[in-house]
Amino acid sequence: EVQLVQSGAEVKKPGESLRISCKGSGYSFTSYWISWVRQMPGKGLEWMGRIDPSDSYTNYSPSFQGHVTISADKSISTAYLQWSSLKASDTAMYYCARPTYSSSTYYYMDVWGKGTTVTVSS
Amino acid sequence: EIVLTQSPDFQSVTPKEKVTITCRASQSIGSSLHWYQQKPDQSPKLLIKYASQSISGVPSRFSGSGSGTDFTLTINSLEAEDAATYYCHQSSSLPWGFGQGTKVEIK
Repeated sequence: EVQLVQSGAEVKKPGESLRISCKGSGYSFTSYWISWVRQMPGKGLEWMGRIDPSDSYTNYSPSFQGHVTISADKSISTAYLQWSSLKASDTAMYYCARPTYSSSTYYYMDVWGKGTTVTVSS
Repeated sequence: EIVLTQSPDFQSVTPKEKVTITCRASQSIGSSLHWYQQKPDQSPKLLIKYASQSISGVPSRFSGSGSGTDFTLTINSLEAEDAATYYCHQSSSLPWGFGQGTKVEIK
């Protein structure tokens, strides 16, 4: 079964660093990108960026560029989303998802993790 | 950056009714438009890819249409389990984006 398994909920203070993870299984991890999507409480989905685990090439949304770092370790089939200094406004659910394509070269996200809740509060 | 605008934001519908949700792109995106369903406390789930292509395991009452800038998700004969928020997503160009969502409530 193809799965993306995300790390557990985190509670952090403003200014702290954090790295959350997303482990792929049931497929060739280096054959598919991984995307990260934010959902703030009661709000919609926001695409943050994506990584190609085969070479760690990344694309970021301008809204998130410089605020987060997306990385991957292909040896353990895991992608990461990292903050160096959290803010209260980073409180949200974060999903990883697997972009894929079929009848054209444009991607859709067919597999999603269950999400990691990040709470930042003093 | 391509902006997706969904309408309506909210819809309250009785079972067996037909639901139509539209998604308009700020510029032409061909058929690179996909639809997702998100139920409360769940991850999004892919419903329709490439504007109109069905997904294995998704009930046939869900269908999509459109190309260019105007797209539609139709739910024929709404069922109680369809209560959810629906999002469109474009992958025509980076940064990818989502519509703001349409919440469908069952009366």
